[in-house]
Amino acid sequence: DAGVIQSPRHEVTEMGQEVTLRCKPISGHDYLFWYRQTMMRGLELLIYFNNNVPIDDSGMPEDRFSAKMPNASFSTLKIQPSEPRDSAVYFCASRVSGGREQYFGPGTRLTVT
Amino acid sequence: AQRVTQPEKLLSVFKGAPVELKCNYSYSGSPELFWYVQYSRQRLQLLLRHISRESIKGFTADLNKGETSFHLKKPFAQEEDSAMYYCALSGNNQGGKLIFGQGTELSVKP
Repeated sequence: DAGVIQSPRHEVTEMGQEVTLRCKPISGHDYLFWYRQTMMRGLELLIYFNNNVPIDDSGMPEDRFSAKMPNASFSTLKIQPSEPRDSAVYFCASRVSGGREQYFGPGTRLTVT
Repeated sequence: AQRVTQPEKLLSVFKGAPVELKCNYSYSGSPELFWYVQYSRQRLQLLLRHISRESIKGFTADLNKGETSFHLKKPFAQEEDSAMYYCALSGNNQGGKLIFGQGTELSVKP
């Protein structure tokens, strides 16, 4: 198993552009988490899904951020419009129901200029 | 409020020296505590969880409910231990979502 897969690994975009980050969880995992990592705030949970349904999106910073999980093997995190303060590393993680460990993807480093 | 505090952003020790990475938490119930590690250019991965009470790569961590702490310890640091270490908390009935501390960068010098 390749583990959690994220794409792209690096994204550089200009302020105002739409950015879409993608995640493929580990097969059979029914929880999916999106985190953001910055120097100032460390690792923050943005949103998590259970069986493709968003359960807690209280960490989503504002309406410019949206996340979807159309099926068990794919999730997107979209920022529209992007701003320089969105620059961060975005991690996706998944875990199996009943399990305690979250498995993280390699992250997407987003730079908004 | 739920919070995890790692007071040290950077901890630098010499090879063979003991190391302790501090973690304090704030949670009203009975949380589950974890240590995650991120080596250079690698993914964040689970190192320890308090319920398993195991030693991984020579590291141990004991949950002290009285002091609300979960410090990570190793008696003799190795250069390959150099990494970012994150303490994390998972509360009851929260779907296993993790609240992370700010992280401590451990640098082990030869």
